[in-house]
Amino acid sequence: SQQGEEDPQALSIQEGENATMNCSYKTSINNLQWYRQNSGRGLVHLILIRSNEREKHSGRLRVTLDTSKKSSSLLITASRAADTASYFCATDSNGNKLVFGAGTILRVKS
Amino acid sequence: DAGVTQSPTHLIKTRGQQVTLRCSPKSGHDTVSWYQQALGQGPQFIFQYYEEEERQRGNFPDRFSGHQFPNYSSELNVNALLLGDSALYLCASSLPITPEKLFFGSGTQLSVL
Repeated sequence: SQQGEEDPQALSIQEGENATMNCSYKTSINNLQWYRQNSGRGLVHLILIRSNEREKHSGRLRVTLDTSKKSSSLLITASRAADTASYFCATDSNGNKLVFGAGTILRVKS
Repeated sequence: DAGVTQSPTHLIKTRGQQVTLRCSPKSGHDTVSWYQQALGQGPQFIFQYYEEEERQRGNFPDRFSGHQFPNYSSELNVNALLLGDSALYLCASSLPITPEKLFFGSGTQLSVL
């Protein structure tokens, strides 16, 4: 079963705009992670936020976590065509067994 | 330093056959996890190996089995293949000190006809 659910399912923006993706989950977690996947191949780890953290930054990425609402958001600022990919949130509740959502497909038009 | 490598890249099998997929973890990583990703879906956890033992298992039937070798490499075996087993199979490894951060291979695309 998939715990994380991303919203929207698909997002199309112009280069230079910001992209925001949301993730909701159902059970308590140790941490929440975001991954990127290009063309249906391997996933690349983007950022990890622990349950006692509220916000984290990495380059053009900003992740927030609201454990009371069981939700997280990923913000990509100043998007580039190379950011075109699928983005997945994954929750870790039990010893590093990640539970992934269905993903958001992001298309950045140049 | 090579990342996580998987072989083969693509595989075509027919229903009822058996398949073995292979994974070499990133250097220094001792834990290997396997995920199945159906088209248009997120990856689903199959199982995790540590010290040559299956440590955790997802909701997959016994047709799915695995092995981890002393050099930490791993195999995923699927018996009696079904059409629904067609998917991208991803292997991920992690460091002992940061087990929560996974490094994924590029996957094996399995098609069952």
